[in-house]
Amino acid sequence: AQSVAQPEDQVNVAEGNPLTVKCTYSVSGNPYLFWYVQYPNRGLQFLLKYITGDNLVKGSYGFEAEFNKSQTSFHLKKPSALVSDSALYFCAVRDIYHLDSNYQLIWGAGTKLIIKP
Amino acid sequence: ETGVTQTPRHLVMGMTNKKSLKCEQHLGHNAMYWYKQSAKKPLELMFVYSLEERVENNSVPSRFSPECPNSSHLFLHLHTLQPEDSALYLCASSQDFGGTYNEQFFGPGTRLTVL
Repeated sequence: AQSVAQPEDQVNVAEGNPLTVKCTYSVSGNPYLFWYVQYPNRGLQFLLKYITGDNLVKGSYGFEAEFNKSQTSFHLKKPSALVSDSALYFCAVRDIYHLDSNYQLIWGAGTKLIIKP
Repeated sequence: ETGVTQTPRHLVMGMTNKKSLKCEQHLGHNAMYWYKQSAKKPLELMFVYSLEERVENNSVPSRFSPECPNSSHLFLHLHTLQPEDSALYLCASSQDFGGTYNEQFFGPGTRLTVL
């Protein structure tokens, strides 16, 4: 079955430290991978995506993510965290090779990121 | 207005009420979506419209009824809801449906509470 896992409900990081938010996926074909962020009382905002090519993808607000095919992971990273990065982060995958996927995004349950001053 | 807007932002209704949620996108997109967001759960895709035609209905109870009068507007009509329907309802749009990597743009959501 196709799925996305975000193994941590919450990640706590001190401001200025590097951060990682984990995501692993399970699809049969080649995945298209996405990260979205949700700030309090806001809708989701697109951060970055991996389609093909370089495994390291750069996105908005200084975030980047690394696609690792052998580990079926797409972890979100930032070298130096800001308090304003505190939000809910969602990983999503699209399986384009299954006709019954209907191009739907498969979503993770979200990870709450808390950056402490 | 820019992006995707949703009204109302908050809604409290009884189980016998009828209400509607409204979504408008100002991006010139062809596809629009309704999602249900519950705490600590993945987003649940409810409905998808592409060029005003419904292309996806993920086994959503009939007490939720979508309407897409044009490519810029999307409604979710609510009737005889249950307390477990309380959630954040998100509207989203994308350039096309089925485009393999078109990211979705989300509205701020309507926080629905069913008493």
